[in-house]
Amino acid sequence: AQSVAQPEDQVNVAEGNPLTVKCTYSVSGNPYLFWYVQYPNRGLQFLLKYITGDNLVKGSYGFEAEFNKSQTSFHLKKPSALVSDSALYFCAVRDVQAGTALIFGKGTTLSVSS
Amino acid sequence: GAGVSQSPRYKVAKRGQDVALRCDPISGHVSLFWYQQALGQGPEFLTYFQNEAQLDKSGLPSDRFFAERPEGSVSTLKIQRTQQEDSAVYLCASSSIVARGGEQYFGPGTRLTVT
Repeated sequence: AQSVAQPEDQVNVAEGNPLTVKCTYSVSGNPYLFWYVQYPNRGLQFLLKYITGDNLVKGSYGFEAEFNKSQTSFHLKKPSALVSDSALYFCAVRDVQAGTALIFGKGTTLSVSS
Repeated sequence: GAGVSQSPRYKVAKRGQDVALRCDPISGHVSLFWYQQALGQGPEFLTYFQNEAQLDKSGLPSDRFFAERPEGSVSTLKIQRTQQEDSAVYLCASSSIVARGGEQYFGPGTRLTVT
């Protein structure tokens, strides 16, 4: 069965420091991996995705993520956090061989303090 | 351009009432998805359309849930005889190229509260 784990409910970081939001996944086939961000009372906004190719993918607002096949991980990173990055972040996976639906993690709340 | 829109944004229903939730996808997107997001959880897949064809409805929790997309654009999710456990945010998403890993674009959601 497909699943996504985000082991941290909340990540706290000071503005200007690097941030990492962790994600591990389980699929039987090849994965497509996604990160979305959700602000209060707004829908999910796409940040970045890994389909194939370079393991390091860059996305919106300076975020990047590294696909690690051996560790089945896709951690979200940013070199220097901003207070405005504070939001709820979701990792999602799609098993290429198993269908079209996204399987989401429970989400991680990122809090950036000034 | 315009994103995915959903209406109503908020809906309060008494237990046993029927509700209909509307989704307007991004123009030209052939793929449309419905997800249910319970409080404090990630979205969970309900159903998937490619144009007007409902290709996957494996996530619908019961036969009280019904979705349609008769002309391949606007979609409606209907819940009959609502129960308290149906209270959640219902998200609609559309995509242009799902087969090649295209990302899904989400609407703001409809928050359903069943009292």
